[in-house]
Order: sequence, then structure tokens, then C-alpha cells
Amino acid sequence: QSVLTQPPSVSGAPGQRVTISCTGSSSNIGAGYDVHWYQQLPGTAPKLLIYGNSNRPSGVPDRFSGSKSGTSASLAITGLQAEDEADYYCQSYDSSLSGSMVFGGGTKLTVL
Amino acid sequence: EVQLVESGGGLVKPGGSLRLSCAASGFTFSSYSMNWVRQAPGKGLEWVSSISSSSSYIYYADSVKGRFTISRDNAKNSLYLQMNSLRAEDTAVYYCARDRSYLQIQLWLFYFDYWGQGTLVTVSS
Repeated sequence: QSVLTQPPSVSGAPGQRVTISCTGSSSNIGAGYDVHWYQQLPGTAPKLLIYGNSNRPSGVPDRFSGSKSGTSASLAITGLQAEDEADYYCQSYDSSLSGSMVFGGGTKLTVL
Repeated sequence: EVQLVESGGGLVKPGGSLRLSCAASGFTFSSYSMNWVRQAPGKGLEWVSSISSSSSYIYYADSVKGRFTISRDNAKNSLYLQMNSLRAEDTAVYYCARDRSYLQIQLWLFYFDYWGQGTLVTVSS
């Protein structure tokens, strides 16, 4: 069971907007630690999507955006495309686990 | 272009050992902290270990502490993970990942900006 909780799956039709939540606690997101997001296309390595809650690395489309509030963070994808179908993971720091980097359990995005 | 290429994975019996390697290119390896992150079949990501640029700071997940050893050779642009006393639950794809460190709330935190393609480790009798 992951310290950061994500919905196992979300879905949306092409062109729609979807959001993926990442819920933590006072020892991680709620303590003020940044949240980062990764995209893992089928059969490939993860790729950095959002860092520092809301920053996009060079090359990541502005259809992807991140936000954080309280003990939760969210990844939003607008103008959904077929190639967005992937697993998405959030990551943060947790001070209760001997001080450790932690990932959410991952969310499978299906483009209908 | 940043490239990270892992090698050394394979099938090993419980209690056995394996050494993973990661060859880095396309950036100044000696300037970055590096990490190992693993993913069990059909499961999520788990951070395993981190080593600072000069090997001064090393951290492990509780699940591998005392069994795994991370190291690096900056002259060879290489990262290593020595895995001993392997267990079935160590079965996973192991990724080498470069990190970007920053100071927040008096802690050095990091995220992973580049990943290798991974190498599969299977622990089974």
C-alpha cells in the first residue's frame, strides 16, 4: 500500500480533460514537500512530466499541468490524445519513513 | 543526448547475488547524484537507493538496507548496484535514474529527470 494514494484508473474520450489525484498526508505533501509526476508509456521507462508541483520540463506539451493544495496534488491533461494512454505516477518525500522518496501507486489512463 | 544504459540483470536463486551496472553518457556524470528505482512486474515504482556526485552521501530504502550497496566510478561514468541476499520480492525491473536535487524545508530533495531502459532481475529457485 502506497503512502501516496492515486486512483487505479481514469478514462476519457479524445479531446476531453481528465485529472489524476495524488493524496498524501501531513508527513509528505501536507508538510510542504513538492510533488513530481511521471508518465510511463506501455513497455517503456518512466519519463518526467511535471516537477516542483507545476513545472513542465522542456518538450512536455502544455496540455499537461500540475497543481498542489493541502495534502493533495493533481495532474490535469487537456485535449486528450490517444498517445496519452499510459500509467502516471506521483512522487514526493515522506518524513515518516526514515526519510524516503515515495511514489504513488500509479494511475492507468485509458483513452476511449 | 543523455543516455543511461543498464546491464547485469538476470535469473538468480534466492539468497544469491547480482551486480547491476549503468553506463552514462551525454552529460557530466560526476556532477549529478544518481539513483536506482525498481518496478516489480505489474506494480508501481519504488525508489531503492541514491548516491551523491562524489559518493559522500548514500541512502537506501528500508526494504534493501543492509543487503544492497550502491556505488559509482566517475572516471568510468558508471553507476553500480551490488545486490546480496536476494529475495523473491526483489524481482523487478531496475532503472538507473539521474536526479535533480534541490533544497526544501532544510532537506535535500530530488526528482528523476532521466531514466534508463531498465534491466530485469528475477529471483526464483
